[in-house]
Amino acid sequence: GQNIDQPTEMTATEGAIVQINCTYQTSGFNGLFWYQQHAGEAPTFLSYNVLDGLEEKGRFSSFLSRSKGYSYLLLKELQMKDSASYLCAVQGGSYIPTFGRGTSLIVHP
Amino acid sequence: EAGVVQSPRYKIIEKKQPVAFWCNPISGHNTLYWYRQNLGQGPELLIRYENEEAVDDSQLPKDRFSAERLKGVDSTLKIQPAELGDSAVYLCASSSLQGSGNTIYFGEGSWLTVV
Repeated sequence: GQNIDQPTEMTATEGAIVQINCTYQTSGFNGLFWYQQHAGEAPTFLSYNVLDGLEEKGRFSSFLSRSKGYSYLLLKELQMKDSASYLCAVQGGSYIPTFGRGTSLIVHP
Repeated sequence: EAGVVQSPRYKIIEKKQPVAFWCNPISGHNTLYWYRQNLGQGPELLIRYENEEAVDDSQLPKDRFSAERLKGVDSTLKIQPAELGDSAVYLCASSSLQGSGNTIYFGEGSWLTVV
């Protein structure tokens, strides 16, 4: 089975940097995904990590440490439109992504 | 390229009534998923198809839920009879590759309210 843990809610100020953490326990590992989900909408793909290290994509970066069962999503230069839920999903031995509960990020002026 | 298409977008039904959801995956994607998402939770897998074969349906409540993917393209998910606890968003997703980088793409979801 898999166990994924991420904070329920975070708040940050427009223009700032925020880091959303995700810890996991899994039998078999074939990658970790981050998705963004705005209220009332479907999740949209942000990033995929399968090797240790940092993957940067514009204002968003994602980090993975397989030995620690740990990942984070880093959002820079926060904008109001970044207010959303951020879902961490782990792809285990079966290659099926299992999702965490999501972290609700609130960006305020 | 068209994304994953789902219908209906919203459905309100009385308990004990049947309901069906339809999904058309991204063209060429052989893997199709149905997830259920409750408010404030992450999506939970109900069933996964590889082409027309259901390869993982351990989380599907088989007493009232059924799914099919005839011809390995479109899929339908049915609930009969619906219960109050079935109120949720039903998300269809698809992917094209089993293995590393198996990124799944979601449809807009079908929002079910059972009253």
